[in-house]
Amino acid sequence: DAKTTQPPSMDCAEGRAANLPCNHSAISGNEYVYWYRQIHSQGPQYIIHGLKNNETNEMASLIITEDRKSSTLILPHATLRDTAVYYCIVRSLSGGSNYKLTFGKGTLLTVNP
Amino acid sequence: EPEVTQTPSHQVTQMGQEVILRCVPISNHLYFYWYRQILGQKVEFLVSFYNNEISEKSEIFDDQFSVERPDGSNFTLKIRSTKLEDSAMYFCASSATGGRGNQPQHFGDGTRLSIL
Repeated sequence: DAKTTQPPSMDCAEGRAANLPCNHSAISGNEYVYWYRQIHSQGPQYIIHGLKNNETNEMASLIITEDRKSSTLILPHATLRDTAVYYCIVRSLSGGSNYKLTFGKGTLLTVNP
Repeated sequence: EPEVTQTPSHQVTQMGQEVILRCVPISNHLYFYWYRQILGQKVEFLVSFYNNEISEKSEIFDDQFSVERPDGSNFTLKIRSTKLEDSAMYFCASSATGGRGNQPQHFGDGTRLSIL
């Protein structure tokens, strides 16, 4: 089972920032947070990942709380093409099951004109 | 930007037939994966592969499934005797690092497998 909780859906106006929350209250010290998105009928697309520091790349920013129990993915200027299902995934780097990504249901972000 | 490519994009097969799904991972990646997504359901992990061995597999990946890296560029998933419930999107992924590394997995756009 996925170790994360996300709202099932969110709306955002085009051009505004989209802030997608994720709860991972049971995260452990060696687990990273990964964000992917899936645009209809395409494969999951990697967005960003982090351990405890905030991260930024050309697609998005990832804000991880100090206690690491939650995170927020920020799309600074959402466009219609950002409409997708966004997945927050926690992956361990140790133990017996540290290769797979466990997808939940994600958040359907709809960007409105 | 390098990408994972999968062929064919759509495969239609009669139940009981064998099918091979093909993937070309990103060229400098060493870890390879297959996932599937039944229509309307979550993306599910099938198997991971490194150094010509399976490193992890799920309960779904039973004896009818096999994976192979037949040459230096291709990575294949074979389903020996297909069933109706094998109908799904199959995604290949690759990454530069595996279990103890944090580099992300990058996915292809999938093969839609339809079993008749």
